[in-house]
Amino acid sequence: KQEVTQIPAALSVPEGENLVLNCSFTDSAIYNLQWFRQDPGKGLTSLLLIQSSQREQTSGRLNASLDKSSGRSTLYIAASQPGDSATYLCAVRPPGGTSYGKLTFGQGTILTVHP
Amino acid sequence: EAGVAQSPRYKIIEKRQSVAFWCNPISGHATLYWYQQILGQGPKLLIQFQNNGVVDDSQLPKDRFSAERLKGVDSTLKIQPAKLEDSAVYLCASSFTSGSDEQFFGPGTRLTVL
Repeated sequence: KQEVTQIPAALSVPEGENLVLNCSFTDSAIYNLQWFRQDPGKGLTSLLLIQSSQREQTSGRLNASLDKSSGRSTLYIAASQPGDSATYLCAVRPPGGTSYGKLTFGQGTILTVHP
Repeated sequence: EAGVAQSPRYKIIEKRQSVAFWCNPISGHATLYWYQQILGQGPKLLIQFQNNGVVDDSQLPKDRFSAERLKGVDSTLKIQPAKLEDSAVYLCASSFTSGSDEQFFGPGTRLTVL
């Protein structure tokens, strides 16, 4: 059974700092990994999706890496801003079968960026 | 393009009552998902539809939860009777075709069971 763990559970940083969020998963047989952002009382917004054959994806100040063999992914946020404050979730998708679309989520990292 | 719509946004009920949630996916999306997110946890998939057929409902508590997707578009999720532990946010998501596509999430329905 796939399990996804995110460290740290919460993080508070001053504005402008570069930071790294970690995600680990127990079963390396994945189809892809996705990072989401969740604002309080809102749904999930997809940030980056990395296919199992890829090593990283970048979007603006965000960079996500994937090391499938070791079961790890990191989300790097450069020059953090107060607007980045949210909960960040990673999720993995299995490679196939009847559970093809089933995302397994970590518990999230609550990020607070203070001015 | 309009996003995934859900209603109601908030619901408060007493235990043993019934409740229903509605989801309208992005137009043209064949796959629809219902997730349960308990406070402090990541979402957990309850059920996945491909058009109007069920693909995966292995984590749906079928003694009290039911879901349907008539005509392969809108979907409803029902809880009958509700328990205290059902208090959570219920998220609906959709994707274009198969389960490999990116999933787009609605704002969720926050359920409180007293």
